Amino acid sequence: EAGVVQSPRYKIIEKKQPVAFWCNPISGHNTLYWYLQNLGQGPELLIRYENEEAVDDSQLPKDRFSAERLKGVDSTLKIQPAELGDSAVYLCASRQEGNTGELFFGEGSRLTVL
Amino acid sequence: RKEVEQDPGPFNVPEGATVAFNCTYSNSASQSFFWYRQDCRKEPKLLMSVYSSGNEDGRFTAQLNRASQYISLLIRDSKLSDSATYLCVVNRAGNTGKLIFGQGTTLQVKP
Repeated sequence: EAGVVQSPRYKIIEKKQPVAFWCNPISGHNTLYWYLQNLGQGPELLIRYENEEAVDDSQLPKDRFSAERLKGVDSTLKIQPAELGDSAVYLCASRQEGNTGELFFGEGSRLTVL
Repeated sequence: RKEVEQDPGPFNVPEGATVAFNCTYSNSASQSFFWYRQDCRKEPKLLMSVYSSGNEDGRFTAQLNRASQYISLLIRDSKLSDSATYLCVVNRAGNTGKLIFGQGTTLQVKP
């Protein structure tokens, strides 16, 4: 069974440029998460989807970050414009309904903003 | 104060040692608890759930103290392959899908 797929794996951009990350969760997983992880820190939740509905986006910096999951399957996270402090790993995870604890993470998208 | 706090370490131990990691959480209504493992430059993966009565999986033992809002992970007979970052994770009450991660504790097992 395929795991969570993310792309791109690495992205280097200059500040003020836009960037987008894509995630395809495990088939049948209705819950999808975007986390941000800085070096030496644990993942921090940005947004959580139940199917196509964003049920928790309280920690998403909405002035520059946006996300969508239009058909309740794959999802896109966008940053526009990027700032130096956005350099981090962006992790996508999915979870099967009824399984409250096990998240399956993708390999992450490592963003460097110059 | 962070909702889930861990000592970041690093913990440097010799092979065969027993090592314990601690974690505290601030939301007293938190319902479920987990330990995840993250290898260097890899994604986190579930190591084990933490049950109220304590639970064991081979060399790994997890314990929960709800009164003190404290979770622990004990690793016996450490192996070189145990070197990783161990993340304490709490599922916030009333919101079954919101998992809050601690900053992680780094373990380095040396020969």
